[in-house]
Amino acid sequence: EPEVTQTPSHQVTQMGQEVILRCVPISNHLYFYWYRQILGQKVEFLVSFYNNEISEKSEIFDDQFSVERPDGSNFTLKIRSTKLEDSAMYFCASRRGLSGDNQPQHFGDGTRLSIL
Amino acid sequence: QKEVEQDPGPLSVPEGAIVSLNCTYSNSAFQYFMWYRQYSRKGPELLMYTYSSGNKEDGRFTAQVDKSSKYISLFIRDSQPSDSATYLCAMSGRGASGTSYGKLTFGQGTILTVHP
Repeated sequence: EPEVTQTPSHQVTQMGQEVILRCVPISNHLYFYWYRQILGQKVEFLVSFYNNEISEKSEIFDDQFSVERPDGSNFTLKIRSTKLEDSAMYFCASRRGLSGDNQPQHFGDGTRLSIL
Repeated sequence: QKEVEQDPGPLSVPEGAIVSLNCTYSNSAFQYFMWYRQYSRKGPELLMYTYSSGNKEDGRFTAQVDKSSKYISLFIRDSQPSDSATYLCAMSGRGASGTSYGKLTFGQGTILTVHP
C-alpha cells in the first residue's frame, strides 16, 4: 500500500540554525499538509498546500516557516532560525482530493526535531 | 471551550473487552470525522473515516457520529493486546467560503492498553 515517507526520522539542530524536513507524499495525491506534535500535546495543524501554493496556515506557521514542492515528488518544511520551542514531532500528510473533499489524510511516521 | 475534547485516559481493559472511545466538539462546521491510531514514535494511522451522522463498521471497529449532540465514538470489539495504542479523533469541515482544504483538528488522544 502506498505510504507517505519522511526523512530524516530524527534531526538534532542547534538553536538558530536552519532545518529542512522532507516528505514524499503518496504519488497521486494533490493536497499536502504539515502538522506538529509537541511531546504530550495534541497534533496541531501547521499548513496546507495545494496547486503549488499555501491554501491555509495556522498561527504557529509564522515567517520562520516555509514550505515548498521543489519537484514532482518532494514536499519540504523549512524552519529558518530554529528555537527551543520548535522541538516536536513533525508529521507530513497527504490526501487525494480529486472528487470533492471526501478523501481522508494519510500520515507519515514523522521527523523528531530536537533543538539544542 | 476547546474545539475538540477527548478524555486522555489512560484506559486499561482485559483482552476480549469492548472498548468505547469518545470525543465531543463545539464547531458545528465539522462534517468529516476520523479516528486514527498512533503507536509510540509512529505517525497517525487512519482507522475509520465517516461523513456526517450515522454508523460505519469495519471488522472489529465501529464509528458513530451524532452531529446533533456533537459527539463521536469509536467502539472496538474483542479487543486485542495489539490494539494497545493512542487513539486520536480528528475532524474537518468547510470554511465560510464553502471550500475545504482539509485542515484537521485533533483531540488530545486516548491511551489504550489491552492486557492479556
